[in-house]
Amino acid sequence: EVQLLESGGGLVQPGGSLRLSCAASGFTFSSYAMSWVRQAPGKGLEWVSSIRDSGGDTYYADSVKGRFTVSRDNSRNTLYLQMNSLRAEDTAVYYCAKFSNVAGWYEDHWGQGTLVTVSS
Amino acid sequence: EIVLTQSPGTLSLSPGERATLSCRASQSVRSNYLAWYQQKPGQAPRLLIYGASSRATGIPDRFSGSGSGTDFTLTISRLEPEDFAVYYCQQYISSPRTFGQGTKVEIK
Repeated sequence: EVQLLESGGGLVQPGGSLRLSCAASGFTFSSYAMSWVRQAPGKGLEWVSSIRDSGGDTYYADSVKGRFTVSRDNSRNTLYLQMNSLRAEDTAVYYCAKFSNVAGWYEDHWGQGTLVTVSS
Repeated sequence: EIVLTQSPGTLSLSPGERATLSCRASQSVRSNYLAWYQQKPGQAPRLLIYGASSRATGIPDRFSGSGSGTDFTLTISRLEPEDFAVYYCQQYISSPRTFGQGTKVEIK
């Protein structure tokens, strides 16, 4: 069974940093691209970042480019999101998700999410 | 950027009724790279449909997807109590990947 467990969320002041982790199990982590998707309170879903299976290619939404960095450690089956220069508008539940390998990259399994609150 | 517009914003129906949800794209979604997700309060989204019409593993056959190009539809043939939730469409052919704003299916 695929399991994705996010951690690292919390309260941080504007301009601060936070690193999210996503521990994966139940599948061959190194064979799948992964993504981060966020959801502001009471709002819809917003794609944040993606990373290829090898970690060689990364992709970002314009809203986080230059501030967030996605990475992975395939030896630890863990996905990361380093978030710097945080703003109030980054407040959201952050989900990590596994991409399917079949006919395009869509998120076929999601973690339960971790809440990031940016506030003074 | 492909903008996805879902309608209606809220659908008020009774259990057993048919639900028809629309997702319209601002430009063609090539290869029908469109997915539908269900989200219940306090839970993560769950994949229902990919490739516009293929059901994900374990999804009941009362859920069906159709459409191509710029117009897509999610149909729930007979609503069960557990189907009342918010539904999102997503295109994954073009960067940035984008979601619609969601349709809430509520109990009438």
